[in-house]
Parts: sequence; structure tokens; C-alpha cells
Amino acid sequence: SQQGEEDPQALSIQEGENATMNCSYKTSINNLQWYRQNSGRGLVHLILIRSNEREKHSGRLRVTLDTSKKSSSLLITASRAADTASYFCATDGPNSGYSTLTFGKGTMLLVSP
Amino acid sequence: GAGVSQTPSNKVTEKGKYVELRCDPISGHTALYWYRQSLGQGPEFLIYFQGTGAADDSGLPNDRFFAVRPEGSVSTLKIQRTERGDSAVYLCASSLRHLAGGYNEQFFGPGTRLTVL
Repeated sequence: SQQGEEDPQALSIQEGENATMNCSYKTSINNLQWYRQNSGRGLVHLILIRSNEREKHSGRLRVTLDTSKKSSSLLITASRAADTASYFCATDGPNSGYSTLTFGKGTMLLVSP
Repeated sequence: GAGVSQTPSNKVTEKGKYVELRCDPISGHTALYWYRQSLGQGPEFLIYFQGTGAADDSGLPNDRFFAVRPEGSVSTLKIQRTERGDSAVYLCASSLRHLAGGYNEQFFGPGTRLTVL
């Protein structure tokens, strides 16, 4: 079963604009991760934020976490056409003793030149 | 190898047939995970191994699905009597070690696209 939902389901922007994607989840977590997927194949790990952290940066990526609202956001600044992909959040909820990842349905991001 | 590899990249089979999907994890990674991703959905956990043993197989949908990792490296996901609903991309991931409740970066392979006609 899916842990949560990303929104929007799809996002279309122009190069240079910022892209913001949101993720909600349902259970307690130890950490939340964001992954990127091109063309429906392998996933690439982008960033991890622990439950005791509120914000984290990595290059053009900024992730926030609000455990009281059970939500996270991923901001990609100064987007590029190469950022076009699907983005998923994943959490390690208690369903399996915090052992495995549960993914949302993803946001499809299209960045036009 | 540099990353997780999966073979075949694509598999087309007929309903009722048996299939095997192979995963080669990153060398030295003790934890190995299988996920299934249907069209338009996120990956869903199937099973994970710590070494040779299946530590959690709660995600396997039914007893037609089975996975092995006999030497603690390569893993094979086996599906008996395939059904059209089994069509999906099967993803494998590995991590250096499994830390329940801790950092657990998983490195994913490119997946096997299974189509059951």
C-alpha cells in the first residue's frame, strides 16, 4: 500500500523557474527521502531528511519536513530541462518496523526549455 | 560493478508461465530489496534480504511469488503461474547494510519490465 501522496500529480514549468512538490504521509517516521526517476526505470536517491530535522539543502534542492503535519516539500531552484522526471518521496514507517521504504505515487515534473 | 544490475531488462511472457528475474547488487552490499512498480504508481515493497535470509517478505502479494539469495549476493525473484495483473516494472535495490530505524540509502537498479500477455 502507498504511504502517502505527492502533489501535484504533474507540474509543468519553464527553465529557470522553481519547482515545488509536496508529500504527505500517514504514520510516524524516522526519516523521509526523495527519489528521482527517469522514464519509469531506476530511481536515484536525492536527499534524506531525518525526523528531527526541519530543513535540508543539497545543491539546488531544498527539502522541508513538518512532522506535526506529516508533510514534506521538495524545492528545485533554477530548474533545467534535465530536471524533467518523476519525483517520489519515501518513508520508513512502522508498518515493517521502520525497516523498508514506502513510496508515494510521485509528481511528474516537465521543465520546458 | 558500478551499480545494481537487473536482467532481463524486458520480459514478455504468456499467462500461466513461470518467470525468473535476476538482480546483481552492488558488491559488498548486504541488504537487498525487491519492489514492484505499476504504471503511474510509486514502487511497492515486496521483500528484503539481509545476507542470505529473507528478513521481511510481507510485501509479496501471494504464494506465486518467491525470492532467493542463496549466497548473499545475487537474488532471483520467481513468479509462478503468471497473471496479467503481474505486469509491472520490478525494481531491485541494495544498501550497504540494513539499519532498522536508521539511515538506509538504497541504490536502485534499472528494473525489469514484465509484460504478461
